[in-house]
Amino acid sequence: EDQVTQSPEALRLQEGESSSLNCSYTVSGLRGLFWYRQDPGKGPEFLFTLYSAGEEKEKERLKATLTKKESFLHITAPKPEDSATYLCAVQVGYQKVTFGIGTKLQVIP
Amino acid sequence: ETGVTQSPTHLIKTRGQQVTLRCSSQSGHNTVSWYQQALGQGPQFIFQYYREEENGRGNFPPRFSGLQFPNYSSELNVNALELDDSALYLCASSLEVTPGNTIYFGEGSWLTVV
Repeated sequence: EDQVTQSPEALRLQEGESSSLNCSYTVSGLRGLFWYRQDPGKGPEFLFTLYSAGEEKEKERLKATLTKKESFLHITAPKPEDSATYLCAVQVGYQKVTFGIGTKLQVIP
Repeated sequence: ETGVTQSPTHLIKTRGQQVTLRCSSQSGHNTVSWYQQALGQGPQFIFQYYREEENGRGNFPPRFSGLQFPNYSSELNVNALELDDSALYLCASSLEVTPGNTIYFGEGSWLTVV
């Protein structure tokens, strides 16, 4: 069965303090790994899709990387508005996307 | 703004009742999936519809059912509601069924079962 594990479950950073969120996965035949941001009471907002090991994508202060067993979401010099839950998800077949439990990030001014 | 709209945004039902949730997918997207997200958990896949046919199902009982219409909008129906059905229900749309295609989520429908 596909498994996605995110760590840490919660992370508290000072504004400007860079860090990384981890997503480790156990799947057979990865077709895509997704990162989403979710604000309280809202639906997930798409950030990145990664397809193969070695791939990297960037958007503003966020950079996502992928290896054969895990993905990292690096946050450089975070701001309070980056506070949210970050969800990692994997897709193997044509239908189901399996999500992790998420990392709740709080950035303190 | 993803272009995926859901209604209603919030509702309260009594155990044993039935509920219908609605979703309009992003323009041109013919694939719609539904997810259940309990508090503090990641979204769980319920099922997917592609061109009006159920195309895959997660580990949910038959009392969870759906429909997709010719304009690709969709409904999620839940019968015989249980307290554990209380959750955020998310609709997601994508262009075609191709694995790895970007999946866009709506803001969700909050269901409380009392």
